[in-house]
Parts: sequence; C-alpha cells; structure tokens
Amino acid sequence: GDSVTQMEGPVTLSEEAFLTINCTYTATGYPSLFWYVQYPGEGLQLLLKATKADDKGSNKGFEATYRKETTSFHLEKGSVQVSDSAVYFCALSRYSSASKIIFGSGTRLSIRP
Amino acid sequence: DAGVIQSPRHEVTEMGQEVTLRCKPISGHDYLFWYRQTMMRGLELLIYFNNNVPIDDSGMPEDRFSAKMPNASFSTLKIQPSEPRDSAVYFCASSFSPGQGSSGANVLTFGAGSRLTVL
Repeated sequence: GDSVTQMEGPVTLSEEAFLTINCTYTATGYPSLFWYVQYPGEGLQLLLKATKADDKGSNKGFEATYRKETTSFHLEKGSVQVSDSAVYFCALSRYSSASKIIFGSGTRLSIRP
Repeated sequence: DAGVIQSPRHEVTEMGQEVTLRCKPISGHDYLFWYRQTMMRGLELLIYFNNNVPIDDSGMPEDRFSAKMPNASFSTLKIQPSEPRDSAVYFCASSFSPGQGSSGANVLTFGAGSRLTVL
C-alpha cells in the first residue's frame, strides 16, 4: 500500500543554516505530494504541494520538487529562521480520492538563534 | 471563512466521564476527518465522513469512541467512558473533493485541536 517515510528528528540547526528534510514515498501511479507544518499549539497547515512529476512547490522560502525517478519530495530552505521551528509532515494523496491522505511521522525542527 | 472551528480547546476530566468534542468544518467542504495526535503514536486517522456519511471508522480505537455528523456544518467525537490513555490532542480537518475543483482538492484544513487530559 501507499506509504511515506521521512527523516527522523529532532533536527537542530543554527539560524541562517541550510535545511533539508528528506521524504520518500511508496505509491503506484502519480499521487499528489504535500508538506504540512505544525507550529506549537496549533493544527497542521499546508506549507506547499506538488501534483505531478518535476513540479516544484514553494512557499515562505521553502521548496520541494516532485522526483518520480527517486520517489522523493525533499523539503529545502536556504536560510532558516527561529520562526521556522515547528514539526514538518510529508504527505501524499491520490487526486481521485480525497480520503486517502497518508502522513509521514513528522520531523521536529528547532532553530537556534 | 473562520476556518475549522473546534471546541473545547482544552478539556480535563476524570476517568469514566463522558467527553464530547465538537467541530465545525469549512462551509462547502464535503469531507470531514477526525485525527488523534500523541507523542507515542503520532498522527492517527480515527474516522472520516463524506457528505455527512461515515465512510471509514477503522481507526476508531474501540467501542468507547463514537462520531456523528448530523449536518454539513457540525460533527462530534464522543468518548464514553474516558480513560487516561485517551489523553491526546484531537484534530478535526475538512477538505473538498476533486470534483469541486482541482487547485485546492485533497488539501486538508485543520482546526486548532482539542487537548484532552483524562486523570
């Protein structure tokens, strides 16, 4: 069945460092891929998405590219800020089915000033 | 739209008591999901509805848990009787199906969550 695997946390970086959070998926066909972010005390919110191979999703300086050949959707940011401290979830779903949304286990990111 | 509204934000109760969590989804969304989040088990899907009808409740832990959606703008998750191991943050989320448009389809909008503590 479909699944999402993301790197274990916690990840701790200094401000302005480069960030990569790895995410790989297992699915047949062409699912849509998402990154959600959860700030302390809040629900998850969509950060970015990509719906087909080679698409690049971007938002708030974060980027992720849908790589069909490596079944990956790694999250990157060139210069992180303290305000980026949160838990990040990779997820996939099938366009034809709004119900089948598979989340990864989440990666906690902490940024030191 | 005010987003997905959940209440209460915090609930502290004693073991054996009934707990009712409430959710108002975004108007026009036809899917509603209940999730539970704990440190040990992460984010778990409990149940979801489509057009107010429960479609998959296989994630509901046991018969003590029940969920209803009497209309398109309201859903409840009830635990009776509650136990300490039910302590968690419960999230409601809604979305609309691909048939209603492609750009936002399959994107979940989450509420702020209800933090439940059972003593």
